[in-house]
Amino acid sequence: AQSVAQPEDQVNVAEGNPLTVKCTYSVSGNPYLFWYVQYPNRGLQFLLKYITGDNLVKGSYGFEAEFNESQTSFHLKKPSALVSDSALYFCAVRDTNRDDKIIFGKGTRLHILP
Amino acid sequence: KAGVTQTPRYLIKTRGQQVTLSCSPISGHRSVSWYQQTPGQGLQFLFEYFSETQRNKGNFPGRFSGRQFSNSRSEMNVSTLELGDSALYLCASRGQGYGTEAFFGQGTRLTVV
Repeated sequence: AQSVAQPEDQVNVAEGNPLTVKCTYSVSGNPYLFWYVQYPNRGLQFLLKYITGDNLVKGSYGFEAEFNESQTSFHLKKPSALVSDSALYFCAVRDTNRDDKIIFGKGTRLHILP
Repeated sequence: KAGVTQTPRYLIKTRGQQVTLSCSPISGHRSVSWYQQTPGQGLQFLFEYFSETQRNKGNFPGRFSGRQFSNSRSEMNVSTLELGDSALYLCASRGQGYGTEAFFGQGTRLTVV
């Protein structure tokens, strides 16, 4: 069965520093991978996705993610963190060899310290 | 284009009661998925509907059910509510195509007392 792991419950980064939020996945076929962000009392907002092609994917708000097939990872990155990036981040995967459902990780809370 | 709309935003129910949540997808989207979000478990997949048919189902008891109407609007029902059903219930819609992302509503916060 497909699964997603976000190994860190919380990540703290100083404003202006680069940030990384980790995600690993397990699927039987090829993955479609997604990152979402959730602000308090809101639904999830789509940030970026990997379908095929370039391993480095660029998304909204200056975020990017790197797909690494050998390590089955899809880490979210940003070169310079902003306090407004503080939120809950979810990685998600869909297995192209299986059904249509998108499975989410448990989320990583990102704190950007001023 | 209007986003995904979930109603109501907040609900308080008593143990043993039942509840129905509603979701209106983005116009043209035929796939609607439901998720339960709790602090300890993250987002857990409940079920997905496509063109009025349940396409996928998560590992939830039969007390959780859903349906989709011909206009793609979806409802989720939880019967015999338990305290542990307190959660944020999120609905998401998707367009056609395997690589399409899901668009989420703001959720319904259900509190069972």
